[in-house]
Amino acid sequence: AQSVTQPDIHITVSEGASLELRCNYSYGATPYLFWYVQSPGQGLQLLLKYFSGDTLVQGIKGFEAEFKRSQSSFNLRKPSVHWSDAAEYFCAVGALTGGGNKLTFGTGTQLKVEL
Amino acid sequence: ETGVTQTPRHLVMGMTNKKSLKCEQHLGHNAMYWYKQSAKKPLELMFVYSLEERVENNSVPSRFSPECPNSSHLFLHLHTLQPEDSALYLCASSQGAQGLGNTIYFGEGSWLTVV
Repeated sequence: AQSVTQPDIHITVSEGASLELRCNYSYGATPYLFWYVQSPGQGLQLLLKYFSGDTLVQGIKGFEAEFKRSQSSFNLRKPSVHWSDAAEYFCAVGALTGGGNKLTFGTGTQLKVEL
Repeated sequence: ETGVTQTPRHLVMGMTNKKSLKCEQHLGHNAMYWYKQSAKKPLELMFVYSLEERVENNSVPSRFSPECPNSSHLFLHLHTLQPEDSALYLCASSQGAQGLGNTIYFGEGSWLTVV
């Protein structure tokens, strides 16, 4: 069965600083990987996804993530954080189940941005 | 606006009440999901429907009863819930028939409080 680990529960960065959120996965086949963001009181919004091809994927809001098979990682990065990026970030690995896509999520990383 | 609409956004119910959560997707998808999000826990997949058939039930107690009358609508019927069932319930949809190459889109969630 697949699993996802997000080792950092909370991260605080200054506005304008760079950001890296860590994600490690466990999956027996080629992984399908996702990053979602959840603002307070809201649902989850997809930031980016990796299925195949280029291991550096670009997403919305200036985010990118790099798939490293050797490290079983899919870390999320942003070169310059904005105050509006404060939210909770979830990494997920996808598997196909009975005609639907099943996502297994990590426990999330809460990002705080200091002005 | 993600194309997945959930109502009500907030619900308070007693342990003996019967209530329902409603989800509607306007994306033409054929798979729909219920997830549960509790504090400090990963998102938990509850049910998966594909082409209006339930294809997965992740050991969810019978006090939660899903219903998918058509590919655009999904309900979660609630009966004799417990206080520990208080959580954010997220509905999602995807084009499941095309496999993992498709994104799962989430609604904004229904906050449920059981008193």
